[in-house]
Amino acid sequence: QLQLQESGPGLVKPSDTLSLICTVSGGSIDTSGYYWPWIRQPPGKGLEWIGSFYDGGNTYYNSSLRSRVTISVDTSKNQVSLRLTSVTAADTAVYYCARRGLTIAATWGQGTLVTVSS
Amino acid sequence: DIVMTQSPLFLPVTPGEPASISCRSSQSLLFSNGHHYVDWYLQKPGQSPQLLIYLGSNRASGVPDRFSGSGSGTDFTLKISRVEAEDVGVYYCMQALHNPLTFGGGTKVEIK
Repeated sequence: QLQLQESGPGLVKPSDTLSLICTVSGGSIDTSGYYWPWIRQPPGKGLEWIGSFYDGGNTYYNSSLRSRVTISVDTSKNQVSLRLTSVTAADTAVYYCARRGLTIAATWGQGTLVTVSS
Repeated sequence: DIVMTQSPLFLPVTPGEPASISCRSSQSLLFSNGHHYVDWYLQKPGQSPQLLIYLGSNRASGVPDRFSGSGSGTDFTLKISRVEAEDVGVYYCMQALHNPLTFGGGTKVEIK
């Protein structure tokens, strides 16, 4: 059964870089036909798509974050990474990774809370 | 960007009674393969969102059959045939047809 687990620092200082890893188990990240979105949810608010990594290497980002975000994969470690630079308090959120495909049910990780504070 | 508009924002429900949530998209969510790219999620208090329905009407694995999704084009509905106490939380619709993926604002379901 496919499982996704987000990990990374729970506290990041303003203006620093937020780096998270999504470790995939029960399936290969290298399998074609899937894409890997990151989604976040600020405390008490709704859900926001950050961006997605597609098989073939294409990435698409939320226009509001495009200048600061990078999503990449490490197939040797079966991981998807999220990097968000120049963070502010507005980037405090629970960050989720997911796997989606054309006709399959999406799978989400449990999420990890990142707080931006000095 | 595709805007997803949910209604109502708040839904008080009675256990054993049916409930319905609506989601309207600003563009058709029908893809050329015949599928509508709409998911429904339930986020229980303190938990991550759990997938209930994908492709508009397919129940996810382990989801009770009291949950059903329907709709086409731009209008979609999540129905609960008989609400149970464990169904409380915030329900979100989401479109996955076009980037950016976008979500409805949520419908908070509480027991009366």
